[in-house]
Parts: sequence; C-alpha cells; structure tokens
Amino acid sequence: DAGITQSPRHKVTETGTPVTLRCHQTENHRYMYWYRQDPGHGLRLIHYSYGVKDTDKGEVSDGYSVSRSKTEDFLLTLESATSSQTSVYFCAISDFDRGLTEAFFGQGTRLTVV
Amino acid sequence: GDSVTQMEGPVTLSEEAFLTINCTYTATGYPSLFWYVQYPGEGLQLLLKATKADDKGSNKGFEATYRKETTSFHLEKGSVQVSDSAVYFCALTSLSSNTGKLIFGQGTTLQVKP
Repeated sequence: DAGITQSPRHKVTETGTPVTLRCHQTENHRYMYWYRQDPGHGLRLIHYSYGVKDTDKGEVSDGYSVSRSKTEDFLLTLESATSSQTSVYFCAISDFDRGLTEAFFGQGTRLTVV
Repeated sequence: GDSVTQMEGPVTLSEEAFLTINCTYTATGYPSLFWYVQYPGEGLQLLLKATKADDKGSNKGFEATYRKETTSFHLEKGSVQVSDSAVYFCALTSLSSNTGKLIFGQGTTLQVKP
C-alpha cells in the first residue's frame, strides 16, 4: 500500500468554524490532490499540488484553500465551514510526470458540518 | 471538457453470476483509463488500468478493454463473489492536462448475494 495518511479520519464541526485536514505521504511523489466524494457525483477535484508551494484549483475549489510547505504534507483548509461541505475527503498522490499514470488514495476523512 | 459516464446502480447479482459495468468517456486526445474499487469504509484502490487503445487491463478476475472506437472501458468479471461487493469507479486522466488529475464517473454500487 502507498504510504498515505489522512488525519483526522472523522470530524464533526460547527458551521462557520475553520477546519484543516492533513494529508501526509512517505512516497516522495510530486503530485498531491484533494477530492471530495458525494453521492451521485463520484469524486471531484478540489485542489492539487505539483510541488512545494505550487498549487492550483480544481473544479470545486470555492470555500477551500490548500498549502504545501513540504513535499510530504498537503493541507486542506475550510476557512468557514458550511453544511454543503459535509462530505468524505480523499487525498491522493501520483508521480504523473515520471510516467506513473495512476493515483493512490488515502483512507479518507469523513467531515460533518452541523 | 472531459467526462466519464457509468451505468446507474445499484447492481445486485447472485454469487457466480457474470458482471458487466458499463463505462463510456469523452476526452480530447488519448486518455489513460482506470477502474477503482472502494470497499465499505475504505479508500479507493486501483483495480486495473489501460493506457492506450486496445489495451486490456486485468486484475483479480476483472477485465476491461480500452475501446477507442466506442469510447468505452466496460468492466467485466465472469463469476462474482460476495467479497466483490463494493463501489466501482471508472476514471480517466488526460495527458494533455499535464496534471495527472482524475475525472471520475459517479460510481456503481455492486451487491453480490450468496
């Protein structure tokens, strides 16, 4: 299994509070991604990173920010959580530019905003 | 933009039945195609992949063939087991995007009954 750890695994938070989810990898992969999983939508990309301090938006980035200060860590922040951000969040890594087209996923973080 | 369409679920089969889950895609260029599987409470695992037309990906008795003429990547298994019960996602990554990001179908839930 690829070395990807997400924390926390479960979180309940109140509307309007900030929340940070962490993804840690031990594979030294350049690319890291945050997806959210919702019924009927599959997984949708929130943000991704192609290197330290290099990030870009995905298709559902509104209300989210990310940071990557080290190769191994990719943080997802909800600045002011809303009920629509209740979801399961997955981190993924890949070495896309070295010819490995597949991505490897963490175990997920179930976030509930009440 | 790029997209993936999967057959609606849930799919309910008896053990040892034949499985087909349909997947079609829209993409510019020549994407790589994937099937991921998600067991209850877990993250996504790569099941199989194909990177060019007419390639056949296979793993654990599952197969899928990259059909460029029909833009399809249908998942098949000759004899399903109860342990195959899971959610299956078809996905693509487009080399032209140069990011490795995945575009997912909405997922198909498979339930296999003894």
